[in-house]
Amino acid sequence: AAGVIQSPRHLIKEKRETATLKCYPIPRHDTVYWYQQGPGQDPQFLISFYEKMQSDKGSIPDRFSAQQFSDYHSELNMSSLELGDSALYFCASSNTQARNIQYFGAGTRLSVL
Amino acid sequence: GENVEQHPSTLSVQEGDSAVIKCTYSDSASNYFPWYKQELGKGPQLIIDIRSNVGEKKDQRIAVTLNKTAKHFSLHITETQPEDSAVYFCAASIFSNFGNEKLTFGTGTRLTIIP
Repeated sequence: AAGVIQSPRHLIKEKRETATLKCYPIPRHDTVYWYQQGPGQDPQFLISFYEKMQSDKGSIPDRFSAQQFSDYHSELNMSSLELGDSALYFCASSNTQARNIQYFGAGTRLSVL
Repeated sequence: GENVEQHPSTLSVQEGDSAVIKCTYSDSASNYFPWYKQELGKGPQLIIDIRSNVGEKKDQRIAVTLNKTAKHFSLHITETQPEDSAVYFCAASIFSNFGNEKLTFGTGTRLTIIP
């Protein structure tokens, strides 16, 4: 079965650079969620989209923005990167018409040097 | 907002024994409680979930119990195997006809199965 696909898997950036993370949800899933997981920590919710509209917002810095496109893929844009942005970034997708379980991708490991 | 506490943070169990992980939540509106297993370098994988209209759910060696009055739920793994070693996260969310809200995770339990 198709899973959530995230790219890239690893990303190394310098401070003050920008980064773009991509997420391709499971086909026919209408909701995408972004989570940030610091080392040894639990995933923290950043933002979600339902049918291409922002549906909820968590502790996402103003330096970050995200959107969901017409083909349902989503991108998380991160600007003015800081050392503290180094983390695993997960995307999850769900289908509100089918139990709405959140399925996670393998994540993007962002390292800010 | 919702706050989920999880205990213990680490758990070592002899192979074949049972493991129990406990979580409490604060928001009485939460009605959906999934458990995720995360292996090193991988994303969280759903292993079992329970909704507030049931008190217990079982899937082979894994079971989850929910006490809505006390606002706590537990994961039970029986006949543990080495491949059960991983970090386990509980989570809480509000599910409605309009979809799930965000998951609020517990702090995780690192389970080690000793051969």
